[in-house]
Amino acid sequence: KQEVTQIPAALSVPEGENLVLNCSFTDSAIYNLQWFRQDPGKGLTSLLLIQSSQREQTSGRLNASLDKSSGRSTLYIAASQPGDSATYLCAVRYNTGGFKTIFGAGTRLFVKA
Amino acid sequence: GAGVSQSPRYKVAKRGQDVALRCDPISGHVSLFWYQQALGQGPEFLTYFQNEAQLDKSGLPSDRFFAERPEGSVSTLKIQRTQQEDSAVYLCASSLVGGANVLTFGAGSRLTVL
Repeated sequence: KQEVTQIPAALSVPEGENLVLNCSFTDSAIYNLQWFRQDPGKGLTSLLLIQSSQREQTSGRLNASLDKSSGRSTLYIAASQPGDSATYLCAVRYNTGGFKTIFGAGTRLFVKA
Repeated sequence: GAGVSQSPRYKVAKRGQDVALRCDPISGHVSLFWYQQALGQGPEFLTYFQNEAQLDKSGLPSDRFFAERPEGSVSTLKIQRTQQEDSAVYLCASSLVGGANVLTFGAGSRLTVL
């Protein structure tokens, strides 16, 4: 079964700390991987999209890496801020999964001021 | 439009009622997806449209769920004879083409079935 798992489920850190969120997937034959942010009661906002041929993507304080052979992706957040508090979701489109994108359950991040 | 628009934002239905949820994607986006998100979980795929064609409906949980996109733009997700387990947030997303591009999500429609 094609699944996406995120660890940890929740994380609380003090402001200014660098942190890493983890995502693992069960099949290395992926088309792309996206990281999203979801604020309470809101929809999802795309943060970074990594195509299968890429190893990482960067946007501001965010860096996402992709290692297909180990079935892992990490989202690195530098110098965390209280405004980063949200749920972060990892989503994978597999080569053989048709058009669907499969989501993990997310990591709830709280950055304390 | 500037983003994906969904309506209604909140819907309360009595068990057994039919509901219709609307999604207005970004203009020019070929692909449209519907997802269901239960509390504390990630979104679960329901169905996918490419223009007006429904290419994948493998995620629809039962034949009470029906989706359409007749003119390749606005889409409606209809749930007949709602049940309590249908309570969730229904998210719509669109992208330029397939899953190759960034998915842009709407704010969702929160359905509560009493």
